[in-house]
Amino acid sequence: DSGVTQTPKHLITATGQRVTLRCSPRSGDLSVYWYQQSLDQGLQFLIQYYNGEERAKGNILERFSAQQFPDLHSELNLSSLELGDSALYFCASSGGLAGASSETQYFGPGTRLLVL
Amino acid sequence: AQSVTQLGSHVSVSEGALVLLRCNYSSSVPPYLFWYVQYPNQGLQLLLKYTSAATLVKGINGFEAEFKKSETSFHLTKPSAHMSDAAEYFCAVSDLGSNYQLIWGAGTKLIIKP
Repeated sequence: DSGVTQTPKHLITATGQRVTLRCSPRSGDLSVYWYQQSLDQGLQFLIQYYNGEERAKGNILERFSAQQFPDLHSELNLSSLELGDSALYFCASSGGLAGASSETQYFGPGTRLLVL
Repeated sequence: AQSVTQLGSHVSVSEGALVLLRCNYSSSVPPYLFWYVQYPNQGLQLLLKYTSAATLVKGINGFEAEFKKSETSFHLTKPSAHMSDAAEYFCAVSDLGSNYQLIWGAGTKLIIKP
């Protein structure tokens, strides 16, 4: 158990819909990362938040957005969903020293999203 | 741009045999290197990491990896495979050029034959 929790575990929805994925980081971790894992694209970094502020952006679509709240939990919002958005979405957290390049990221169990 | 290449999307070894998973990276500055493992239906878990100390890094579950700067490699090995090692393994690199974000390899699925 990494200490990172994600809800829900599974989500089935239709094209055009909007969903919110939730992540609670390990106790004391300030950084939260979001990743998308799909069969064709592999593991893709989406976005990082550090202590409530966006720190780095990866291959995140404009239809996707995220935020980190004062209690450090984070939400990833996916809108206007397409079939290709079906994937496993992971959240990870780290101790969060900004720019600490050798930090270990601790991954949650993921949310499996299926868009029909 | 930084990149990570993992040779072989699938590697199959017999139980008890040597495990060798290959990872090559491109980086113009000293990198930090990581191996993560993903067991079926689970998130990723750190196996080991290189942070410019010893070039031979020991990790969990009997795995180790050697940083070879001249070969830009960070191959993962284990002397004797167990059935429980069946999983997907990801190599990742971070350095100043990536603003210290992890750049991930495509992953190698390790299959253990009884």
